[in-house]
Amino acid sequence: DAKTTQPPSMDCAEGRAANLPCNHSTISGNEYVYWYRQIHSQGPQYIIHGLKNNETNEMASLIITEDRKSSTLILPHATLRDTAVYYCIVANNQGGKLIFGQGTELSVKP
Amino acid sequence: EAEVAQSPRYKITEKSQAVAFWCDPISGHATLYWYRQILGQGPELLVQFQDESVVDDSQLPKDRFSAERLKGVDSTLKIQPAELGDSAMYLCASSPVMRGYTGELFFGEGSRLTVL
Repeated sequence: DAKTTQPPSMDCAEGRAANLPCNHSTISGNEYVYWYRQIHSQGPQYIIHGLKNNETNEMASLIITEDRKSSTLILPHATLRDTAVYYCIVANNQGGKLIFGQGTELSVKP
Repeated sequence: EAEVAQSPRYKITEKSQAVAFWCDPISGHATLYWYRQILGQGPELLVQFQDESVVDDSQLPKDRFSAERLKGVDSTLKIQPAELGDSAMYLCASSPVMRGYTGELFFGEGSRLTVL
């Protein structure tokens, strides 16, 4: 399974867009990009995933570069409740394990 | 909304004692996972079940850890004897997808273990 690289921490102003980057330069053709987040003292929560195309749901948007070597999770209007650790994970669709790295600790400030 | 249930929420034990954690996945979810999360780190997969069968337990310290899912529904993770380094959050997750596809995992609130 490919590894990912994320900045350890980021700040964002409340109401602004939060753009969380992830590098996955060794991603394979059948590997998906997954994003989870973990609010303090809770279990991780699935946000979104994608293969090639950009994806959007009620929580966030996922932008994957054309070469698939990096992606960005976008929270369009960050709130204080979005303060959490965000994990970017790549995993294949052949029973690949979800391997969590250190993630990015996002702090949304008033 | 259906949730993954875990108990106990918190457990304090002394080293060399036995400890057990229980997980009840979302009804109908065939795949169940146990993860361990040490403070400040991401979750680490310990064991994966597909129904009642172990799919992957390569990261499970088998000298002291055991996991079972006898009827393919709920699951128990046991540590015997507990060591100081086992202090962590133990997370259970389930997924409705079958083997061969990694989909969305639903996590429980976790069981926080402190070994004194």
